[in-house]
Amino acid sequence: AQSVTQLDSQVPVFEEAPVELRCNYSSSVSVYLFWYVQYPNQGLQLLLKYLSGSTLVESINGFEAEFNKSQTSFHLRKPSVHISDTAEYFCAVSDLGTYKYIFGTGTRLKVLA
Amino acid sequence: DGGITQSPKYLFRKEGQNVTLSCEQNLNHDAMYWYRQDPGQGLRLIYYSQIVNDFQKGDIAEGYSVSREKKESFPLTVTSAQKNPTAFYLCASSIVGSNEQFFGPGTRLTVL
Repeated sequence: AQSVTQLDSQVPVFEEAPVELRCNYSSSVSVYLFWYVQYPNQGLQLLLKYLSGSTLVESINGFEAEFNKSQTSFHLRKPSVHISDTAEYFCAVSDLGTYKYIFGTGTRLKVLA
Repeated sequence: DGGITQSPKYLFRKEGQNVTLSCEQNLNHDAMYWYRQDPGQGLRLIYYSQIVNDFQKGDIAEGYSVSREKKESFPLTVTSAQKNPTAFYLCASSIVGSNEQFFGPGTRLTVL
């Protein structure tokens, strides 16, 4: 069965520093990959997704993630974080042809001034 | 504006009481989902529905029930059989055949 691992439960980083949030999934079958962001007491907002094509996907607010099939990873990166990026980030995987998301346990990003 | 609404935002319940959480969407999506979120555990699927009048259990359906009488609505009832109901509940929807889910703002349920 598919599983998703987000090893870092919390990541503190200073403003304007780069950050990487790690996501690994277990199955090497064809997958769709997602990163969602959640601000306190709110729902999840889609940050970016990999469905097919280019393995590097970007969001409108400067985040990017790279699909690495051989390492079964989909790490999220941003070269320079802002205070407003403080939130919890969830990685999710969906096997091709299924409805079901498997979520990681989340990484809480805290950007320090 | 198209989107998903959940009500209420906060809900308090006494032990032994059933309570119903509302989820409505005007995105014309066929599929709808209910997730439970607990600290440090990510999101877990409770129930999902891909068409009106049909729904399936997810990974943690025990103690919960749902109905899907209208395409726009997918209410979740937390019954007294749910032993640990205090959590944040999220509703989502998607187009059938699409893997992208859209989430509502959530309902925080607290059992007193």
